[in-house]
Amino acid sequence: AQSVTQLDSHVSVSEGTPVLLRCNYSSSYSPSLFWYVQHPNKGLQLLLKYTSAATLVKGINGFEAEFKKSETSFHLTKPSAHMSDAAEYFCVVSPTSSNTGKLIFGQGTTLQVKP
Amino acid sequence: NAGVTQTPKFRVLKTGQSMTLLCAQDMNHEYMYWYRQDPGMGLRLIHYSVGEGTTAKGEVPDGYNVSRLKKQNFLLGLESAAPSQTSVYFCATSDTNTGELFFGEGSRLTVL
Repeated sequence: AQSVTQLDSHVSVSEGTPVLLRCNYSSSYSPSLFWYVQHPNKGLQLLLKYTSAATLVKGINGFEAEFKKSETSFHLTKPSAHMSDAAEYFCVVSPTSSNTGKLIFGQGTTLQVKP
Repeated sequence: NAGVTQTPKFRVLKTGQSMTLLCAQDMNHEYMYWYRQDPGMGLRLIHYSVGEGTTAKGEVPDGYNVSRLKKQNFLLGLESAAPSQTSVYFCATSDTNTGELFFGEGSRLTVL
């Protein structure tokens, strides 16, 4: 069975400091992994995705994530936070062995960026 | 190119009333989904469709029905609304080559 756990429900950083949002997954198959961002009162937007190519994935707005199979992790990072990064972030796992579309969402991490 | 469009964006219902949420896409995607988002619970899959004329249950299907009569539309129905169905509902489509989801902007439903 597949599952995803976001280890922090809320992360607060100062503008200009690094961001780390943690995600662990469980999958019986080689998964596809995604990070999505949701700004207030908006739909979700794809930040980046891992689909069994390079383990270090670069996304939009300076975010990147590293797939670590040994640790079953897919943590999201950014070297320097910007005020516009304040949003909710979701880690998502998609089992590549199936096309049923039963994507599994983490519970979300709210990122607060302080001036 | 509108992408994924949901209507209505806001609705208030009384317990027992019925309503339908419409999702329309112009991306020619086969797969469509309805999720609900509740605080602290992430997104949970209600129903989904892998093509015109097909539907399947997701994680939390009770109290909802769906139909996919046309490829571009995916309807979510509440037959008898309950306060527990107060939520924000998101429609999404997916690119079957990449698995990427494309979301609408959400429909906020309040059941009194």
